[in-house]
Amino acid sequence: QVQLQESGPGLVKPSGTLSLTCAVSGGSISSGHWWTWVRQPPGKGLEWIGEIYHSGNTNYNPSLKSRVTISVDKSTNQFSLKLSSMTAADTAVYYCARKWSGYFDYWGQGTLVTVSS
Amino acid sequence: EIVMTQSPATLSVSPGERATLSCRASQSVSSNLAWYQQKPGQAPRLLIYGASTRATGIPARFSGSGSGTEFTLTISSLQSEDFAVYYCQHYDNWPPMYIFGQGTKLEIK
Repeated sequence: QVQLQESGPGLVKPSGTLSLTCAVSGGSISSGHWWTWVRQPPGKGLEWIGEIYHSGNTNYNPSLKSRVTISVDKSTNQFSLKLSSMTAADTAVYYCARKWSGYFDYWGQGTLVTVSS
Repeated sequence: EIVMTQSPATLSVSPGERATLSCRASQSVSSNLAWYQQKPGQAPRLLIYGASTRATGIPARFSGSGSGTEFTLTISSLQSEDFAVYYCQHYDNWPPMYIFGQGTKLEIK
């Protein structure tokens, strides 16, 4: 059973950079799936942020592309998200997930990130 | 960009009754459509993919239908654990993009 676990700071200052890591267990990050980040502002819907393949190939949501970097570390079976120039609008629960055939079949529990000084 | 619109925003149904949730795409998405269930404080759970195929472990009371622009999620006999928010999701292969609907909250009547 694949499991994903997000980790990182819960508070980021305005204009700062968010750094989150997703640890994958129960399977290899090189298994042939894409690995993604999705976020959800409090009380709102879901927004896809971007994805990465174990080769390092990435795809990003155009609305966030200028601020997002996703990377992978095969040696630790983890992938990471960096989101720069954070504002209050970026306050959200951030989820990592595994993509399978265009859909997201395994999810982390999510981590709340608040942007505040 | 394709827009996914779900209706209604809130649906009140009694346990044991049938619930029908709708998702409309602004242009045809073929059958590239999934449904997720999300309970408070939890991550979304994949219910249906390919518009009509149940994901592993999903009870048979959940069914999906539709293609093109109109999709439906039906829960045949609501159980207490089914009251949650439901999202539809579409994907484009190129450029890769994943769009969620705004959600339908299914509440106990």
